[in-house]
Amino acid sequence: GAGVSQTPSNKVTEKGKYVELRCDPISGHTALYWYRQSLGQGPEFLIYFQGTGAADDSGLPNDRFFAVRPEGSVSTLKIQRTERGDSAVYLCASSSGETDTQYFGPGTRLTVL
Amino acid sequence: DQQVKQNSPSLSVQEGRISILNCDYTNSMFDYFLWYKKYPAEGPTFLISISSIKDKNEDGRFTVFLNKSAKHLSLHIVPSQPGDSAVYFCAASVSESGGSQGNLIFGKGTKLSVKP
Repeated sequence: GAGVSQTPSNKVTEKGKYVELRCDPISGHTALYWYRQSLGQGPEFLIYFQGTGAADDSGLPNDRFFAVRPEGSVSTLKIQRTERGDSAVYLCASSSGETDTQYFGPGTRLTVL
Repeated sequence: DQQVKQNSPSLSVQEGRISILNCDYTNSMFDYFLWYKKYPAEGPTFLISISSIKDKNEDGRFTVFLNKSAKHLSLHIVPSQPGDSAVYFCAASVSESGGSQGNLIFGKGTKLSVKP
């Protein structure tokens, strides 16, 4: 079956711009996670959805970052007033519940010039 | 303050030999541990996991060992194959309902190179 997909695969933007990153989880998966991976680091947790609600957003670095999952499936990570330090690979993962394996998408590489 | 540490950024082994990747953690509340493998331009792929109630879990060529008193886990790959060349991430979580992966805390990764 289809895995987790993320679009776009690459996004280049200018400092101060707004970007949206999309995640399509595995069909039927109720849990969805966003992580950010900077160069030379492991993935860092950003936010976790169980269904439509954000169960834990403690990893969002500041209020420029926001994520939604309005219908409990597709999720969008939104970054306002992008900064060069936001450049990273943004990974999405989904699982069938809190107790199950997280399956990752290929990521979106965001570059802020 | 890194809660999950992989102190070896890289490891090189000969095909057919054993690969041992190590991971240390500091948070005693962690009770579920995982290893992910990552190829370039792909997302991490789940490899194997272990609950804190066990000290060993085996799946084919892959075995994970957990030493809770030392807050240390290791991944053994036997025999190593060139296709195993990838970056390996150790991850940990605190579960609320037993076995839950929750939000994963990752190490920085170890790049394994298996030479033919």
